[in-house]
Amino acid sequence: QVQLQESGPGLVKPSETLSLTCSVSGDSIRGSYWAWIRQPPGKGLEWIGYFYYGGTTNYNASLKSRVTISADTSNNQFSLNLNSVTAADTAVYYCARVVGTFDIWGQGTMVTVSS
Amino acid sequence: EIVLTQSPDFHSVTPKEKVTITCRASQSLGNSLHWYQQKPGQSPRLLIKYASQSISGVPSRFSGSGSGTDFTLTINSLEAEDAATYYCHQSNSLYSFGQGTKLEIK
Repeated sequence: QVQLQESGPGLVKPSETLSLTCSVSGDSIRGSYWAWIRQPPGKGLEWIGYFYYGGTTNYNASLKSRVTISADTSNNQFSLNLNSVTAADTAVYYCARVVGTFDIWGQGTMVTVSS
Repeated sequence: EIVLTQSPDFHSVTPKEKVTITCRASQSLGNSLHWYQQKPGQSPRLLIKYASQSISGVPSRFSGSGSGTDFTLTINSLEAEDAATYYCHQSNSLYSFGQGTKLEIK
């Protein structure tokens, strides 16, 4: 059974970098595409970006200048870094496996941007 | 960026009713359109992939149809547990989501 689990700080200060990790069990991150998606409180879903172990990454154009997604194959994890955050980046952040579509999701982690 | 527009935004329905939610794309998707259900405090759950393909473990009352720019999610014989927000999602050109349709059970 494939499971994903997000982890990271729940509070980030404005202008700093939001860093999250997604731990994957039941599948190898070398074998699929993996993505980050977020959801501001009371709002809809926004795709942030994806990566493939072979070296492919792609990001939402609206966030591209601030986002990096990378892999840690030794721990079967992948990470999200979002820099220069503002209150607009406050959201639940989800990681997901991509098999055509986002077929398996983590439970999500709430990140609040506030001083 | 492909824009997905769902209708309605909100729907209040009674149990056993048949419900239809539509999703219109700003350009053709072929069949690369998927549907999710999200209940409060939970992650989205994949209901239908590639417009009409069923997902293991999803009740058979959920079905999808459409191609190109117009798609439909149908819920036959609605149950109380179907109260949720439903999102369409396209994977034809990068990714994007519809704004969501909130389904309330009377």
